[in-house]
Amino acid sequence: AQRVTQPEKLLSVFKGAPVELKCNYSYSGSPELFWYVQYSRQRLQLLLRHISRESIKGFTADLNKGETSFHLKKPFAQEEDSAMYYCASQRRGSTLGRLYFGRGTQLTVWP
Amino acid sequence: KAGVTQTPRYLIKTRGQQVTLSCSPISGHRSVSWYQQTPGQGLQFLFEYFSETQRNKGNFPGRFSGRQFSNSRSEMNVSTLELGDSALYLCASSFDRSSYEQYFGPGTRLTVT
Repeated sequence: AQRVTQPEKLLSVFKGAPVELKCNYSYSGSPELFWYVQYSRQRLQLLLRHISRESIKGFTADLNKGETSFHLKKPFAQEEDSAMYYCASQRRGSTLGRLYFGRGTQLTVWP
Repeated sequence: KAGVTQTPRYLIKTRGQQVTLSCSPISGHRSVSWYQQTPGQGLQFLFEYFSETQRNKGNFPGRFSGRQFSNSRSEMNVSTLELGDSALYLCASSFDRSSYEQYFGPGTRLTVT
């Protein structure tokens, strides 16, 4: 079974500081990996997926197959980054529908 | 384009009752998935529908069921409600089964008393 682990339930940083949200996955194959974000009183939305290698809102995430990690990073956090972040995986090659989510990390960026 | 819509947004039911939740996907999207979100278990996959057929099912009892209509709209039903069914139920749609991007609705908050 696929498992996604986000070891930090809460993370606080000051504005302008670097931030890293950790995510580890367990799956013998090569899953598709995503970061979803939920801002206060908004719906869950896709932030980025590893295959697109994009940088969204200054966030990047690198897949490390050796460590089975997909940590989310931003060099300079902003107050508007405060939100709940979920790491998710989906079995590559399988048909759509089943995302496995981590428990989420609540990021707070202090002014 | 309008986003995924879910109705009702809030619902209060009593133990033993049944409930039906509705989801309208983004226009043109044909795949609909349902998730349950609780503080204790987080986000858990319920099922996925495509072309009016259930394609994937999560580890939930048979009291949880769903269906999809020809216009891709989907409903999920929970029978014989239990207190533990209190949760936020999220619906997500995607263009088709090969698309990895899912768009989520605002959810239906179900409270069972």
